[in-house]
Amino acid sequence: GEDVEQSLFLSVREGDSSVINCTYTDSSSTYLYWYKQEPGAGLQLLTYIFSNMDMKQDQRLTVLLNKKDKHLSLRIADTQTGDSAIYFCAEHDPSGSARQLTFGSGTQLTVLP
Amino acid sequence: DGGITQSPKYLFRKEGQNVTLSCEQNLNHDAMYWYRQDPGQGLRLIYYSQIVNDFQKGDIAEGYSVSREKKESFPLTVTSAQKNPTAFYLCASSIDTESYEQYFGPGTRLTVT
Repeated sequence: GEDVEQSLFLSVREGDSSVINCTYTDSSSTYLYWYKQEPGAGLQLLTYIFSNMDMKQDQRLTVLLNKKDKHLSLRIADTQTGDSAIYFCAEHDPSGSARQLTFGSGTQLTVLP
Repeated sequence: DGGITQSPKYLFRKEGQNVTLSCEQNLNHDAMYWYRQDPGQGLRLIYYSQIVNDFQKGDIAEGYSVSREKKESFPLTVTSAQKNPTAFYLCASSIDTESYEQYFGPGTRLTVT
């Protein structure tokens, strides 16, 4: 079955780069997403990558996709305290009938001053 | 401003009572979703609706019910049959179920004692 896995915690110093990793199992996934959740709030779509791409860059965010290893990463350059949040990886399998997105458990990013 | 609203932000109920969570969107989106979020876990899909007067069970529909009488509204009822109702509930919408982007509301934290 489909499964998306992430490590639960990551701490970085302000100004450093953060790399959040995700592995997924469904090779038919077409889109892979990164969402951000601030405390007590809903999820905000940060970026996404289509499965035929290897990399996508959007300002401070870089998404890398290794389709062979089913590995997705989100790199945040020059991490700021405002980047502290939970980051969710999610996949979209259009062939699925019961659901459209499968979410990982989320990675809590803590940015230390 | 367009968006998704959920009310109330915090809800307290006694065990054995049914409770209805509100979700309204003015984005003119066809599809709407309800997710449940527990600490350290990803989002799990409860119900989704592709169009008015139609809805489908997600992965954890037992103990929940929904209705979709209007395009803008997708209320979720947590019934007394739900064994562990205390959680953070998130509503989302998208243009249709094939869209890669889901827009999330701010969430409702339900506590049942």
